[in-house]
Amino acid sequence: KNQVEQSPQSLIILEGKNCTLQCNYTVSPFSNLRWYKQDTGRGPVSLTIMTFSENTKSNGRYTATLDADTKQSSLHITASQLSDSASYICVVSSRQTGANNLFFGTGTRLTVIP
Amino acid sequence: EAQVTQNPRYLITVTGKKLTVTCSQNMNHEYMSWYRQDPGLGLRQIYYSMNVEVTDKGDVPEGYKVSRKEKRNFPLILESPSPNQTSLYFCASSLSSTVGLGAGELFFGEGSRLTVL
Repeated sequence: KNQVEQSPQSLIILEGKNCTLQCNYTVSPFSNLRWYKQDTGRGPVSLTIMTFSENTKSNGRYTATLDADTKQSSLHITASQLSDSASYICVVSSRQTGANNLFFGTGTRLTVIP
Repeated sequence: EAQVTQNPRYLITVTGKKLTVTCSQNMNHEYMSWYRQDPGLGLRQIYYSMNVEVTDKGDVPEGYKVSRKEKRNFPLILESPSPNQTSLYFCASSLSSTVGLGAGELFFGEGSRLTVL
């Protein structure tokens, strides 16, 4: 069964600290993995995409990693800011044709406190 | 400005009163989809459309209808809303019709919060 699991469910950190969010998946055949950021009351926005051949990709203070062998991805946030407070959603795409090729994690709710 | 626009943003209605949530995108995207988001359950797909006149069920289609008569519009119809359809709804679009194969980035609207009493 194709599934995406994220951990932790929620996280509170102090401003300026680093944190790492995890995404484990069983989706097969794998196409790519995206991390989305969803601010409260807003729609999700794509942060980064990881394809099979990519191990690490950075977008400013956000660094995503992918281990296709263990089917794990992480999103590392460096020097957190108050504006990083949001939900982070991992979405994995399957190369299988047909319906529902996108599989969503339930998200990690990050709160950055001053 | 490239965007996905949903209306209304907030709605309180009563059981059985038909309603439509509109969704429009100005990016000439082929793929559009609807999701509902509930606490602890994440985003769940209701319906999707690969192109004009092509729609298909997602994971939770019961109680919903959609149509795709024009490329830019993808309305979500609740023929007889029930309290279990109280939720936050998102419309999304993607350039590629093969987004199901993971090719495309999803662009989401701002969400429509629906309460059914």
